[in-house]
Amino acid sequence: TQLLEQSPQFLSIQEGENLTVYCNSSSVFSSLQWYRQEPGEGPVLLVTVVTGGEVKKLKRLTFQFGDARKDSSLHITAAQPGDTGLYLCAGPDYNNNDMRFGAGTRLTVKP
Amino acid sequence: EPEVTQTPSHQVTQMGQEVILRCVPISNHLYFYWYRQILGQKVEFLVSFYNNEISEKSEIFDDQFSVERPDGSNFTLKIRSTKLEDSAMYFCASSGPLANYGYTFGSGTRLTVV
Repeated sequence: TQLLEQSPQFLSIQEGENLTVYCNSSSVFSSLQWYRQEPGEGPVLLVTVVTGGEVKKLKRLTFQFGDARKDSSLHITAAQPGDTGLYLCAGPDYNNNDMRFGAGTRLTVKP
Repeated sequence: EPEVTQTPSHQVTQMGQEVILRCVPISNHLYFYWYRQILGQKVEFLVSFYNNEISEKSEIFDDQFSVERPDGSNFTLKIRSTKLEDSAMYFCASSGPLANYGYTFGSGTRLTVV
């Protein structure tokens, strides 16, 4: 099973700051997905990246898939308190395509 | 927006009792999943289900666990004899039409075994 390592584990910033969180693996993935999870709720899909080098934007969120398809990053511009949550990356298991999750980055944006 | 519905939202059970967690996936999705998340820990894969049979299961999904799609809408997870360490949030998810489309998760069932 390929492992997805997310960093940092925790991140606390002030409203208006920019931030980047990372999802890394030694394995190649056919695709990676990013989810956001709020306390007591299930993960909510933000984006799927498929092509090496791909960049996708979702308002203030920018997602990038590494050229070698082993890593991905999520950049948030001008963070807001509503961005607070657990950001999870997930990738399909090599053998069967079932999604496996990283441990997540817990982001807190203070007003 | 279509959603995955899970019931109950909370369940407290005595150790050794059987529990059934219920899920209604999105109607035109073909792939169904159960994941669990122990408090403060990562989301862990339990089982995937396609075409009325288990596609894959993790080492967590031992003989105490079973899944069933008893009709065209429900998807259930049964734990036969609960243990304290089964206490967790259990999430149902569905996806389709391809296996690696984005998953839609339910809000989860918080299971507490006492």
